[in-house]
Amino acid sequence: QVQLQQSGPGLVKPSQTLSLTCAISGDSVSSDSAAWNWIRQSPSRGLEWLGRTYYRSKWYNDYAVSVKSRIIINPDTSKNQFSLQLNSLTPEDTAMYYCSKGVVAMDVWGQGTTVTVSS
Amino acid sequence: DIQMTQSPSSLSASVGDRVTITCRASQSISGYLNWYHQKPGKAPKLLIYAASSLQSGVPSRFSGSGSGTDFTLTISSLQPEDFATYYCQQSYSIPRTFGQGTKLEIK
Repeated sequence: QVQLQQSGPGLVKPSQTLSLTCAISGDSVSSDSAAWNWIRQSPSRGLEWLGRTYYRSKWYNDYAVSVKSRIIINPDTSKNQFSLQLNSLTPEDTAMYYCSKGVVAMDVWGQGTTVTVSS
Repeated sequence: DIQMTQSPSSLSASVGDRVTITCRASQSISGYLNWYHQKPGKAPKLLIYAASSLQSGVPSRFSGSGSGTDFTLTISSLQPEDFATYYCQQSYSIPRTFGQGTKLEIK
């Protein structure tokens, strides 16, 4: 079965860049029937979808407008994983971050990474 | 963005009760509505997709209905493991958006 394993730092300083990775087992990041998402959750914002990457003969990305100027989601086919980069962090970016699989419904989730933005 | 509004925000119920949670979209989303529940410290888990289709492995006491803007999740007979927070999510358009959650607590 498909499993997602997240990795990355839990503490990041303001103005710096958050980098998280989601390693895929049981499926391929290049699957032409999947999409790979990043979602975050905080008490103030609830569950917030940040963006996704997917392959349909070529690579596509979609991003939430709220983070569009600061976010990059990249696939890494050599390692069968995908990553999140979020730059210019502020304390408002403090949240639990999840990766997930799903085009329509998100049926597989990573374990979550607690990210705190603080000096 | 499509706004998703759930009601109630919280709900107290007993084991064996029948419970219904509603979700309303700010515009028609046809049947592109999914339901999740989340327990403390865990990731959300998919229960229902496409408004009424039961995800594999999910007990049949969970059911979903609705189309357009109004949707419901029903749990026919609450079990102890069902006490959690429930979320709806639309997959009609980008960005994907979630409801604010309904916390189901033990009475």
